[in-house]
Amino acid sequence: DAKTTQPPSMDCAEGRAANLPCNHSTISGNEYVYWYRQIHSQGPQYIIHGLKNNETNEMASLIITEDRKSSTLILPHATLRDTAVYYCIVRANQAGTALIFGKGTTLSVSS
Amino acid sequence: DGGITQSPKYLFRKEGQNVTLSCEQNLNHDAMYWYRQDPGQGLRLIYYSQIVNDFQKGDIAEGYSVSREKKESFPLTVTSAQKNPTAFYLCASSTSGTNTGELFFGEGSRLTVL
Repeated sequence: DAKTTQPPSMDCAEGRAANLPCNHSTISGNEYVYWYRQIHSQGPQYIIHGLKNNETNEMASLIITEDRKSSTLILPHATLRDTAVYYCIVRANQAGTALIFGKGTTLSVSS
Repeated sequence: DGGITQSPKYLFRKEGQNVTLSCEQNLNHDAMYWYRQDPGQGLRLIYYSQIVNDFQKGDIAEGYSVSREKKESFPLTVTSAQKNPTAFYLCASSTSGTNTGELFFGEGSRLTVL
């Protein structure tokens, strides 16, 4: 079973920030938080990952709470092309383990 | 350009036939993975391989087989023992270094059993 809990769906207006929450209350000390997204009928795309510090890249920001039991993916200025299913995954960053995907959050961005 | 190539993109087969899906990568990645996705569902892990000539079962390996004879290739065979093979199949690869969770996915193969 996936170790994360995400809302099944969210809506966001184009140009506004999209804040996607994820609960991972049983996360272990050596497990990272990964975010992927999947646009309909395509392979998932890596977005960002982090251990305990907040992370930012050209696509998004990842905010992890101090107790590491939850995180938020932020798309600062959502566009229609950001409409996708977003997956939050926890995984130890070591060889021999694989990513386990849950059902994710379907983000719908509208104009 | 480097990437992962899956073929065929669409495949139709009759019930009871074995089918092999191809996955090739030129990213020099050690690890490769096969996932299955059903409509409205997340991805489920079938098999993965961390190194040539070695592979491990994922959550739903029954009815599937794989081989890893070359670093670049990780074909998946859907056998007649798989009860419900119609699905979207995704192949991925990653490095074996510190960022092993950064998977690169192919475009997928959609199998329909008639």
